[in-house]
Amino acid sequence: QVQLVQSGAEVKKPGASVKVSCRASGYTFTNYYIHWVRQAPGQGLEWMGIIYPSGGTTSYAQKFQGRVTMTRDTSTSTVFMDLSSLRSEDTAVYYCVRAAYGDYSDYWGQGTLVTVSS
Amino acid sequence: EIVMTQSPATLSVSPGERATLSCRASQSISSNLAWYQQKPGQAPRLLIYGASTRATGIPARFSGSGSGTEFTLTISSLQSEDFAVYYCQQYNNWPLWTFGQGTKVEIK
Repeated sequence: QVQLVQSGAEVKKPGASVKVSCRASGYTFTNYYIHWVRQAPGQGLEWMGIIYPSGGTTSYAQKFQGRVTMTRDTSTSTVFMDLSSLRSEDTAVYYCVRAAYGDYSDYWGQGTLVTVSS
Repeated sequence: EIVMTQSPATLSVSPGERATLSCRASQSISSNLAWYQQKPGQAPRLLIYGASTRATGIPARFSGSGSGTEFTLTISSLQSEDFAVYYCQQYNNWPLWTFGQGTKVEIK
């Protein structure tokens, strides 16, 4: 069965960086896109960007340009989301989400809580 | 950016009653709309895609309708497990997804 398993919770200080991983299984890793979506406490869902594992191409939301980097390791079917210059407003649950080209999301990771606090 | 607006923010409904949730897009998105259900501490779950197609395993009491800019999610007879937050999402402007702010369905 399709699974997206994310890394564990993180606590970071303002100005630091965080790297969240998402390991995929149960399907051909290079055939689907992975989006990253975050959710601040008590808030809605916010799209951050996308990576195509086949070629590694990425596209980021303008809000995160310059601060976010998405990469992948095809040998382990894992994608990574690196967010730098963290501030308190980045405290959120970060989800990796699978989607076919041009399509909605069908599978979500369990989420990774990132807390930014001094 | 396509803005998705959901209404109402909170819907109070008694078990067994019908719930009607609305979602409006700032420009036409054809039928490229999905609905998700989210319970506390859980990831969102896909309910509807293509504006009206139920995802695998979703009960028939959930139905979606609409196209263009106006969409509706209807839960025909609310069960206890349906009390949750519901989000609409457009994927017409792929890959730039946008979500509505959510509608909380609570017990009346």
